[in-house]
Amino acid sequence: GNSVTQMEGPVTLSEEAFLTINCTYTATGYPSLFWYVQYPGEGLQLLLKATKADDKGSNKGFEATYRKETTSFHLEKGSVQVSDSAVYFCALSDSGSSASKIIFGSGTRLSIRP
Amino acid sequence: DVKVTQSSRYLVKRTGEKVFLECVQDMDHENMFWYRQDPGLGLRLIYFSYDVKMKEKGDIPEGYSVSREKKERFSLILESASTNQTSMYLCASRGGYSSYEQYFGPGTRLTVT
Repeated sequence: GNSVTQMEGPVTLSEEAFLTINCTYTATGYPSLFWYVQYPGEGLQLLLKATKADDKGSNKGFEATYRKETTSFHLEKGSVQVSDSAVYFCALSDSGSSASKIIFGSGTRLSIRP
Repeated sequence: DVKVTQSSRYLVKRTGEKVFLECVQDMDHENMFWYRQDPGLGLRLIYFSYDVKMKEKGDIPEGYSVSREKKERFSLILESASTNQTSMYLCASRGGYSSYEQYFGPGTRLTVT
């Protein structure tokens, strides 16, 4: 079945460091890929998405490129801030049907030191 | 902005109690979902609904039931709470065919003692 694997955390970085959080997926067909973020005490919110191969999703300085050849969707940011401290979830949606489910990875906790 | 609200942020119940978790969305979304979130396990789908009175089991439906009598409201029911149901419960909603994004509520942290 479809699945998402992301790097285990926690990840601790200093402010202004470069961030990569790895994500790979297993899916049949052509899934859409997402990164969701969960700030402390809140629910998840969509950070960025890509709906087809070679698409690049971007938001708030974060980027991820849909790589079908490596089945990956790694999250990157060039210079992290303390306010980026959160849990990040990679996810996929296996079809565009209204009843399709989203499958989430286990989450990666990111902590940024001032 | 889409808003998904959940009835409680924190809840403490005793083993064997019947527990109701309520979720309301204000964007006329067809699809609604209940997840539980546990450390190291990410989000696991309990039940979802794609229309009023329609429901489908997710990955871990045992010990839970749901109700969707109105489009905007989706309730999760623990018939007889157990300590292994202590968790964070997240509700989400999603629009129709062309919409990919799920909108989440803030979560209910349930403790069963």
